[in-house]
Amino acid sequence: NAGVTQTPKFRVLKTGQSMTLLCAQDMNHEYMYWYRQDPGMGLRLIHYSVGEGTTAKGEVPDGYNVSRLKKQNFLLGLESAAPSQTSVYFCASSYSRGTLDEQYFGPGTRLTVT
Amino acid sequence: KNQVEQSPQSLIILEGKNCTLQCNYTVSPFSNLRWYKQDTGRGPVSLTIMTFSENTKSNGRYTATLDADTKQSSLHITASQLSDSASYICVVSLMFSGGYNKLIFGAGTRLAVHP
Repeated sequence: NAGVTQTPKFRVLKTGQSMTLLCAQDMNHEYMYWYRQDPGMGLRLIHYSVGEGTTAKGEVPDGYNVSRLKKQNFLLGLESAAPSQTSVYFCASSYSRGTLDEQYFGPGTRLTVT
Repeated sequence: KNQVEQSPQSLIILEGKNCTLQCNYTVSPFSNLRWYKQDTGRGPVSLTIMTFSENTKSNGRYTATLDADTKQSSLHITASQLSDSASYICVVSLMFSGGYNKLIFGAGTRLAVHP
């Protein structure tokens, strides 16, 4: 039982390049989330999904796209990377939207855009 | 505006000592408050969850308190160990936030425990 896994762990991009971050969970959770964590700030929600085939915008969605083709996977795409997207990206999952439900986080992807 | 403020930003203590981290929030409508531990290079891991009716909750050497009237919470760490070195994040969950469970994250307190 690996929980939530993320690939890659580190990545360096040049401005304008594209990439996809992969999140996988083996807990059969319906809800999945992508957050970014910047120095001196709390985690902010980029996009989320309430089930296979669904996605929705969070607080800071601009410049990102997501897809949830399979229940266990949630992909985050950057079509044209910008230096402002330098951050640590965390994926999380939860069983439902219940307010007491735990969100389980992956280990993060550190992205640098030069 | 929904906000979670934590203090101090960073803290250094000696192994075996106790410490208390603070969290103030202005979040409405409030559902529950969580404390997470985030080791360097890892994702956050939940320590405690408290609803508005709970004043205190413990998890081993970690004890969280909540004062819903003053909108303050604290995390007390007893007999600190080197493995307690991490960031501690205060998170407030909103009630009835729509399509998902919306969480408001504090920026965290970075704790370093020295031998």
